[in-house]
Amino acid sequence: EVQLVESGGGLVQPGGSLRLSCAASGFTFSDHYMDWVRQAPGKGLEWVGRTTNKANSYTTQYAASVKGRFTISRDESKSSLYLQMNSLKTEDTAVYYCARRQGSSAWGIIDYWGQGTLVTVSS
Amino acid sequence: DIQMTQSPSSLSASVGDRVTITCQASQDINNHLNWYQQRPGEAPKLLIYGASNLATGVPSSFSGRGSGTDFAFTISSLQPEDFATYYCQQYDNLPLTFGGGTKVEIK
Repeated sequence: EVQLVESGGGLVQPGGSLRLSCAASGFTFSDHYMDWVRQAPGKGLEWVGRTTNKANSYTTQYAASVKGRFTISRDESKSSLYLQMNSLKTEDTAVYYCARRQGSSAWGIIDYWGQGTLVTVSS
Repeated sequence: DIQMTQSPSSLSASVGDRVTITCQASQDINNHLNWYQQRPGEAPKLLIYGASNLATGVPSSFSGRGSGTDFAFTISSLQPEDFATYYCQQYDNLPLTFGGGTKVEIK
């Protein structure tokens, strides 16, 4: 059974940093592109960024709103995905979802989502 | 970025009703469109990918159609568990972008 379990959310002050983790199980982690998607309270879904799979050298791409502040990484030995968030702003307050793309394709079909972890940026 | 315009933003319907939601892309996205369901307090769930392909385990009461810029998602007979928010999402180009959502409520 595919499982994605996020952790690391919490309350942080504006300008602060936080690192989210996502533990993956039930599939061959290195085969899949992985994404982070967020959802502000009461709002819609916003793509944050993605990392490619092993075959495509684990490259990353980011939304303009987080580029230069957020960094996605992965540890294949732990089947884990990370989101390092720096210079946090109040508008980064959201539930952050770890998500897996279908198959080993680059196509952005997200077939599994974690339960989400809440990040609150407030003074 | 490709803008996804979803309508309506909300609707009220009864159990057994047929419901259709539309999604329009700001440019041609071929058939690179997904539909997700999100119940309150839960993560989104993939229902339809590639505009018209049913995801694994999804009931055939859900369907999707369209290509290019205009897409539609239909629930043929609304069930109690279908009351949720539905999102379209394009994957023709990065950044992945989502529609604003359609909240389906009980009449």
